[in-house]
Amino acid sequence: GAGVSQSPSNKVTEKGKDVELRCDPISGHTALYWYRQSLGQGLEFLIYFQGNSAPDKSGLPSDRFSAERTGGSVSTLTIQRTQQEDSAVYLCASSSGTNQPQHFGDGTRLSIL
Amino acid sequence: QKEVEQDPGPLSVPEGAIVSLNCTYSNSAFQYFMWYRQYSRKGPELLMYTYSSGNKEDGRFTAQVDKSSKYISLFIRDSQPSDSATYLCAMKLTGGGNKLTFGTGTQLKVEL
Repeated sequence: GAGVSQSPSNKVTEKGKDVELRCDPISGHTALYWYRQSLGQGLEFLIYFQGNSAPDKSGLPSDRFSAERTGGSVSTLTIQRTQQEDSAVYLCASSSGTNQPQHFGDGTRLSIL
Repeated sequence: QKEVEQDPGPLSVPEGAIVSLNCTYSNSAFQYFMWYRQYSRKGPELLMYTYSSGNKEDGRFTAQVDKSSKYISLFIRDSQPSDSATYLCAMKLTGGGNKLTFGTGTQLKVEL
């Protein structure tokens, strides 16, 4: 069956540009998560959606980062005015509910020149 | 000090060996414990998901949780070259936010 789908798989952009990363969760999963994986920091939580609401945004590193989810399905993570330290793999996960296992996509590898 | 500590390795073992991977943690409120396997340029793949203390077995994999010692383990029996990957432990609190807190991962290589 279809897993979590993320696009693009790779993104290279210049410092200062805005980027949008997309996540399509497993069908029927109500919870959606964004994480960031970088060499120095490991895997870090960014934001959690239950339906279209985001009850936990505690991991967003600055106000340049925002995310939304529409129709209880697809989510978009937007990074404005990108900086070199934003270079990382951005991973999306989904689960069928609270305290249920989270299943990950293969991520978007973001490189800021 | 990080909430979850994991030896980064690399750990190299011969094919057929029993592999032991471990994590320690500091927050006694963690109640859910997971092990993920991650191949290069792929997302983490869930291997084991356990609640509270005890053992759980699935095929060649056994997960153990010792909450009194704040210590979790993953054992891999009859290791295969295809098991070569990075293994991440992850933990979650009960209720509240659903975020996972990860260890940094242990790189495993199973050699022929």
